[in-house]
Amino acid sequence: AQSVTQPDIHITVSEGASLELRCNYSYGATPYLFWYVQSPGQGLQLLLKYFSGDTLVQGIKGFEAEFKRSQSSFNLRKPSVHWSDAAEYFCAVSGAGSYQLTFGKGTKLSVIP
Amino acid sequence: DSGVTQTPKHLITATGQRVTLRCSPRSGDLSVYWYQQSLDQGLQFLIQYYNGEERAKGNILERFSAQQFPDLHSELNLSSLELGDSALYFCASSPDRGGEKLFFGSGTQLSVL
Repeated sequence: AQSVTQPDIHITVSEGASLELRCNYSYGATPYLFWYVQSPGQGLQLLLKYFSGDTLVQGIKGFEAEFKRSQSSFNLRKPSVHWSDAAEYFCAVSGAGSYQLTFGKGTKLSVIP
Repeated sequence: DSGVTQTPKHLITATGQRVTLRCSPRSGDLSVYWYQQSLDQGLQFLIQYYNGEERAKGNILERFSAQQFPDLHSELNLSSLELGDSALYFCASSPDRGGEKLFFGSGTQLSVL
């Protein structure tokens, strides 16, 4: 069965600092990997996705993520965090031909001005 | 605004009751997905419909059912409600069957008292 682990429940960073959110997945075949962001009172918005090809993927809002097959990881990064990035971030996995995403439990990001 | 509309935004009901949650997908999207978000379980896939047909089923209880109508809107019916059914229920839509990019609504917050 597929699964996603986000080991950090809550992270606090200062505005302007760099950010890395960790994600480890378990999937028997080639995974499709996603990062979604959820702002308070809102639904989830897709930040970026990896299906194949270049293992470093660029997303919206200045985010990027790197797929590392050997580590079963898909960590999300941003070089300089803005106060508006405060939200909850979810990593998810699915596979080719699969119709359901399996989400991690999420990492809540707080940003100190 | 994702273009996915969910009603109502909030629902308060009692144990044993039945409720219906409604979702209107983005214009042109044929797939509708239902997810449940709770503090203990996180985001769990419930069910997917594609162009009126059930496509995939996840962790959906037998007390829950869903359907997608010819105009592509979907309803999630929850019956014999229990306290543990209190959660945020999200609908998402996508233009294809594979769910490679999901557009989420803002959710319906269900409180069972």
